[in-house]
This record gives sequence, C-alpha cells and structure tokens, in this order.
Amino acid sequence: DIQMTQSPSSLSASVGDRVTITCRASQSISSYLNWYQQKPGKAPKLLIYAASSLQSGVPSRFSGSGSGTDFTLTISSLQPEDFATYYCQQSYSTPGAFGPGTKVDIK
Amino acid sequence: EVQLVESGGGLVQPGGSLRLSCAASGFTVSSNYMSWVRQAPGKGLEWVSVIYSGGSTYYADSVKGRFTISRDNSKNTLYLQMNSLRAEDTAVYYCAGCNAVAAPDIWGQGTMVTVSS
Repeated sequence: DIQMTQSPSSLSASVGDRVTITCRASQSISSYLNWYQQKPGKAPKLLIYAASSLQSGVPSRFSGSGSGTDFTLTISSLQPEDFATYYCQQSYSTPGAFGPGTKVDIK
Repeated sequence: EVQLVESGGGLVQPGGSLRLSCAASGFTVSSNYMSWVRQAPGKGLEWVSVIYSGGSTYYADSVKGRFTISRDNSKNTLYLQMNSLRAEDTAVYYCAGCNAVAAPDIWGQGTMVTVSS
C-alpha cells in the first residue's frame, strides 16, 4: 500500500502570509494527488485535484504542484477563513490513503 | 442542488452490526465512484472503501471482511454494512462522490458511529 506523509504537522501564520505544505508518497503516484481543507465539525472540502487542478469555486490563492512522489500546496496570501487542517490524498491506487494532516493556525 | 445525506449511525456494542445509508440527490450514485471515509475523534481522515461505477469494490485492510459497500440504483443510495464492530471503528463516517480522477469532491455531512459497551 502507498503511504502518505505531510510536513509540517502544524504551522502558525499570519493573515497575508504565503504558506506552503508538502506531501510525499511512498512510491510514484504520477499526478493522482488531491488536497482537502477541513474545518472543525465539518466535512472535508476538495481544493485541488490531479496535483494542480483547482476545484470549481475554490479561490485562486490556492495552488498545487508536483508529480511522482513530491507535492506542494501553496496558499499565496493567507486569509482568515483559511485557518483549518489540510490533508493530501492519493487516488492512484486503492486504498486511497490520506496524509496525516497539517493544521494551520493563527500566529 | 447536489447533496449526499448519511444516516444510520449510532451507539452499538462491540461485535454488533450497523448499516449506514447515503442518499443522493442531484447526483447519480451508479454513474460515479463512491467512497466511504471515516474520522475517529480528534484524528485524521481514513479511507475506508470504494465502489466503482462498474461495481468493483475495494476496502481498507482494517475493515476487510467485516464491512461491505453496496448501492441501490433504484433508490440512488449508497450503503456501508458494518459487522463485527470494534471500539476502533468509532468515528464519523462520511460518504463521498468522486470525480474522474477518483478524488472525493462531493461529501455528506457525516454520521457518527460509536462502538462501546
């Protein structure tokens, strides 16, 4: 099975900061990498699919890059509503493992 | 409006069974990959199972042999039959519809399953 790791596990940032979260797969997953945002008590929300495709309705400050085993989610200018936990997930093969998450909170 | 609504969660004793339902509207269950994802209290997301549009099913090792994913096309509803439940199955269970690259992009609100004596 493919394992997913994320770094950092948490970060503190200010409104307006540029934030980068990395995700690594234990083997190549081509571009089958997705990013989700989750707020407390809510279902996850798909932000980016296929490594770099922005889901409809998601602000353009979110972007994704990478292929193979190494991927990045970037928030270009952090907004108050972006404080949440972010997960990566591979959909290359089953089981579709999620990363452990990165919690973004207010500095 | 596209919507998924889960039901069937609750409190069950270890070794017991429960069937979760996920009713879809504005969305055809049989035409899409459909998944179940769970989240234990205070923990991260865990992929549980998927059923492909062709009917193939796959499971996480942690639930294989105990859980069964299925769908009723006439009711446009997804199910998760959970048998031999364990304390570690305690979680919020989400159903999700997946896009063309198998990324869950439509999520239900979740239903809580608590396994405890």
